[in-house]
Amino acid sequence: DAMVIQNPRYQVTQFGKPVTLSCSQTLNHNVMYWYQQKSSQAPKLLFHYYDKDFNNEADTPDNFQSRRPNTSFCFLDIRSPGLGDAAMYLCATSRVRGPYEQYFGPGTRLTVT
Amino acid sequence: AQSVTQLGSHVSVSEGALVLLRCNYSSSVPPYLFWYVQYPNQGLQLLLKYTSAATLVKGINGFEAEFKKSETSFHLTKPSAHMSDAAEYFCAGANNAGNMLTFGGGTRLMVKP
Repeated sequence: DAMVIQNPRYQVTQFGKPVTLSCSQTLNHNVMYWYQQKSSQAPKLLFHYYDKDFNNEADTPDNFQSRRPNTSFCFLDIRSPGLGDAAMYLCATSRVRGPYEQYFGPGTRLTVT
Repeated sequence: AQSVTQLGSHVSVSEGALVLLRCNYSSSVPPYLFWYVQYPNQGLQLLLKYTSAATLVKGINGFEAEFKKSETSFHLTKPSAHMSDAAEYFCAGANNAGNMLTFGGGTRLMVKP
């Protein structure tokens, strides 16, 4: 089945130690998104790619970076995680930018110790 | 700017009872509207979507929603709740200008035996 895959599902990192979360998709969608979701809150968009065109949300901290080496893969790098970065990170894809449904991966739960 | 409001952060129903989760939107252009469900430690799964075709939209798992322009609402209903419906539900909107999804705050549905 076509899907969005996130690895790992659970990640523990130390305060200040860089961490990379990965996302892959078999849907061949143009657009990939990264969201941060804290407990009992709605997902918050960090950035998205339309093909290789990177779009950063204005309030996304500089600590968060992303790479999309090809259509299928997208990475979220957190350069120096703080305790406040502990959250669920969700990857999503859609066919084109705009009002089309987004398909979400299962998420990576990040814990910062 | 578009906003999406979900009335009631927590809703509790008995098994077999009607489920009604409320969503209101504000928009100056006809919106695209979605309902997503999120189970614990999972990503978001699309339940249904409205894209200006039929105003009554049927989704998966027996859910449906009705778009009412006069009330700027897109409430989610299910005639008979199952225990497996217990989850977080998010209403989201997008306009046709290519903007990203705007999420409501979410409603946690609890189903009592």
